Amino acid sequence: ELKVEQNPLFLSMQEGKNYTIYCNYSTTSDRLYWYRQDPGKSLESLFVLLSNGAVKQEGRLMASLDTKARLSTLHITAAVHDLSATYFCAVAHYGGATNKLIFGTGTLLAVQP
Amino acid sequence: NAGVMQNPRHLVRRRGQEARLRCSPMKGHSHVYWYRQLPEEGLKFMVYLQKENIIDESGMPKERFSAEFPKEGPSILRIQQVVRGDSAAYFCASSRTPGQASGNTIYFGEGSWLTVV
Repeated sequence: ELKVEQNPLFLSMQEGKNYTIYCNYSTTSDRLYWYRQDPGKSLESLFVLLSNGAVKQEGRLMASLDTKARLSTLHITAAVHDLSATYFCAVAHYGGATNKLIFGTGTLLAVQP
Repeated sequence: NAGVMQNPRHLVRRRGQEARLRCSPMKGHSHVYWYRQLPEEGLKFMVYLQKENIIDESGMPKERFSAEFPKEGPSILRIQQVVRGDSAAYFCASSRTPGQASGNTIYFGEGSWLTVV
């Protein structure tokens, strides 16, 4: 069964600092998603990573995927308060007829002024 | 996620009542997924449906929960005899086709927040 682990679970950062969120998964997959969720809101899609070595950047966020290590990272550069949210990674799981996303536990990011 | 429509957005039910959550997928999408998010937790897969078929219900609780996606109309997630532990956000998602080669992307709706009092 596919398992997805994220760490850290909680991250308190100061504005201007850099940090990385890690997402490990247990079985082969060819697609990994990163989402942002604000309290009481739905999921905002940030990145879809499709291949080994994929790197995508949007503003202060950069995501990468290493399928051999079964690891994705979400790197935050020079954090600002507006980035405070919960971030989820999700791994696509195909097996037989099924097709679903398995989510990590989430990382609650709090950026302090 | 703008195209996946869920309603109601917020629903309050007393213990023992029934809750019905509706999801209309994006235009052209025939695959629907339901996920549940308990307070302070991540999203957990519940069920995957195609038109008139349940493909994978491995995440559905064995009792009181059911889902359907009829030939016409939205997908419905039904919870009978609700209990306080059912209080959660229920998210629907849709995709055009499944599978590794299709390049499909899954789009999420805005969610339905169920509160059981």
